[in-house]
Amino acid sequence: DAKTTQPNSMESNEEEPVHLPCNHSTISGTDYIHWYRQLPSQGPEYVIHGLTSNVNNRMASLAIAEDRKSSTLILHRATLRDAAVYYCILRLSDGSGNTGKLIFGQGTTLQVKP
Amino acid sequence: ETGVTQSPTHLIKTRGQQVTLRCSSQSGHNTVSWYQQALGQGPQFIFQYYREEENGRGNFPPRFSGLQFPNYSSELNVNALELDDSALYLCASSLSDSLYGYTFGSGTRLTVV
Repeated sequence: DAKTTQPNSMESNEEEPVHLPCNHSTISGTDYIHWYRQLPSQGPEYVIHGLTSNVNNRMASLAIAEDRKSSTLILHRATLRDAAVYYCILRLSDGSGNTGKLIFGQGTTLQVKP
Repeated sequence: ETGVTQSPTHLIKTRGQQVTLRCSSQSGHNTVSWYQQALGQGPQFIFQYYREEENGRGNFPPRFSGLQFPNYSSELNVNALELDDSALYLCASSLSDSLYGYTFGSGTRLTVV
């Protein structure tokens, strides 16, 4: 299974941008890059995903390297509520058109300081 | 949207017993996956159901089994519980080929003693 590598932890100041990196050097052409975050005592929450092009939504932006071997989740203005474990995940495509399984790594624990 | 609901929220079982965990998918979602999350670890994929058929399975023994019902709700059954089965069990639903990712429930915390 394709794997991702993320830093164990990162710190940010409130209202500053945060760049969370992820390496996925073994990604295959049909794998989507997903990001989820998990707050304590909750299930993971979908943040954003992409395939080749950079993506923006109301929560974050996803910058994907041209060779797709790395990506960066960008939180434009961190708030205290953004403190969570952030998972970079490759969604494996089984080629049948059905959604594939998510392979979670250890994730990055983001601390946001007031 | 009602989201994904799981029951029960907490459960204590004895080693060797059997357990059934339940999940109600988000309205309109036809795919459900189950994950096991040990303390301090990322979730591990158990299996996935699409239209009542299992169409993907992780590295879990056969004593982990599941069902998906016509209304797309789902069950996870674990037989012959072991101490290492103690974990948070997460259910996630989505539409097949969804562009919006999975919606996770808050999980069932299972403790095996």
